[in-house]
Amino acid sequence: GEDVEQSLFLSVREGDSSVINCTYTDSSSTYLYWYKQEPGAGLQLLTYIFSNMDMKQDQRLTVLLNKKDKHLSLRIADTQTGDSAIYFCAPGGYNKLIFGAGTRLAVHP
Amino acid sequence: DAGVTQSPTHLIKTRGQQVTLRCSPKSGHDTVSWYQQALGQGPQFIFQYYEEEERQRGNFPDRFSGHQFPNYSSELNVNALLLGDSALYLCASSRRTNYYEQYFGPGTRLTVT
Repeated sequence: GEDVEQSLFLSVREGDSSVINCTYTDSSSTYLYWYKQEPGAGLQLLTYIFSNMDMKQDQRLTVLLNKKDKHLSLRIADTQTGDSAIYFCAPGGYNKLIFGAGTRLAVHP
Repeated sequence: DAGVTQSPTHLIKTRGQQVTLRCSPKSGHDTVSWYQQALGQGPQFIFQYYEEEERQRGNFPDRFSGHQFPNYSSELNVNALLLGDSALYLCASSRRTNYYEQYFGPGTRLTVT
């Protein structure tokens, strides 16, 4: 079946880089997304990568995709306290997105 | 430019009742998807509507039904509510010709007692 796995928790110091990892099973995904969710809020689309790309950079965000290993990562440079949230990896295509349980990122001074 | 809007924000219902949640897509979007997010979990896909028809459905019972109107807004209906239906219900919109950008609304928090 379709499955997405992420580590549940990541703690980093303000100013350091954060790397959030994700593995997935559905190899037919056309796009792979990263969403951010703050407490009590909906999902904010951060970035996405097309399945035939290896890397995408968008300001402080860098997405790496290893399609062979079905591994996706999100690197946040110069992590700030405002980056504290839950981050979801979501492979998808024309229709549904498949979400994991999310990674809670805690940024401390 | 208004983003995706949902109403109501919060809702409390009793077991066995029925509920209707509403979603207005982002301007220019014609496709609406609904997701259920239980506490501490990631969202799960319920179904997607395009051109007023259900295009794909996730693993949810028939108690969950929907509708899309000619102005692209959508409703999610849940009948015979169970305690386990308590969750945040999220609506996402996209444009069929630009389907890879899906934007979510703030959600409706449903509590079933």
